[in-house]
Amino acid sequence: DIQMTQSPSSVSASVGDRVTITCRASQGISSWLAWYQQKPGKAPKLLIYAASRLQSGVPSRFSGSGSGTDFTLTISSLQPEDFATYYCQQANSLRLTFGGGTKVEIK
Amino acid sequence: EVQLLESGGGLVQPGGSLRLSCAASGFTFSSYAMSWVRQAPGKGLEWVSAISGSGSSTYYADSVKGRFTISRDNSKNTVYLQMNSLRAEDTAVYYCAKDPGYSSGWYVDYWGQGTLVTVSS
Repeated sequence: DIQMTQSPSSVSASVGDRVTITCRASQGISSWLAWYQQKPGKAPKLLIYAASRLQSGVPSRFSGSGSGTDFTLTISSLQPEDFATYYCQQANSLRLTFGGGTKVEIK
Repeated sequence: EVQLLESGGGLVQPGGSLRLSCAASGFTFSSYAMSWVRQAPGKGLEWVSAISGSGSSTYYADSVKGRFTISRDNSKNTVYLQMNSLRAEDTAVYYCAKDPGYSSGWYVDYWGQGTLVTVSS
């Protein structure tokens, strides 16, 4: 199975900061990657699919990039509602694999 | 409006069985693959199992292979997860999840509210 490794595991940031989260796949997955946001007690929400495509309704401050094995999620200007945990997911097959998560906390 | 409503969770003893159900509405159910994803308390997301829209193809995580069975009834717009030989490490919130049908990979665009499965004596 394809393993997904996220870094960092947590990040402290202030409102207005630019935040970048990285995700590395154990083998090449082309652009078959998604990013999700999860808030406590809630189901995850799809933000980005196909590495860089914004899901409908997601603010444009979220962006994704990368291909092959290395990917990034960038929040250009952190908003109060963005404090949450973010997960990457490889989408190469129906045997989905998630990264370990990155918690974005208030500095 | 897409809705996914899970049921069937609860407390079960180690070695026991449970069947989770997920009733779907608001989309053409048979056209979309469905998955189960779980999250242990305080932990990350773990994919458990998936099934194609027709039901002809099924997939399992190594951690549940041989113990869990996914199925679907397209006439009832429902997907199931039969869980046997349950272990303490199966304790988690189980989410029903819908694939959006994009041509560029397999994702989840809608999630249920989750149902808690607790395996304990």
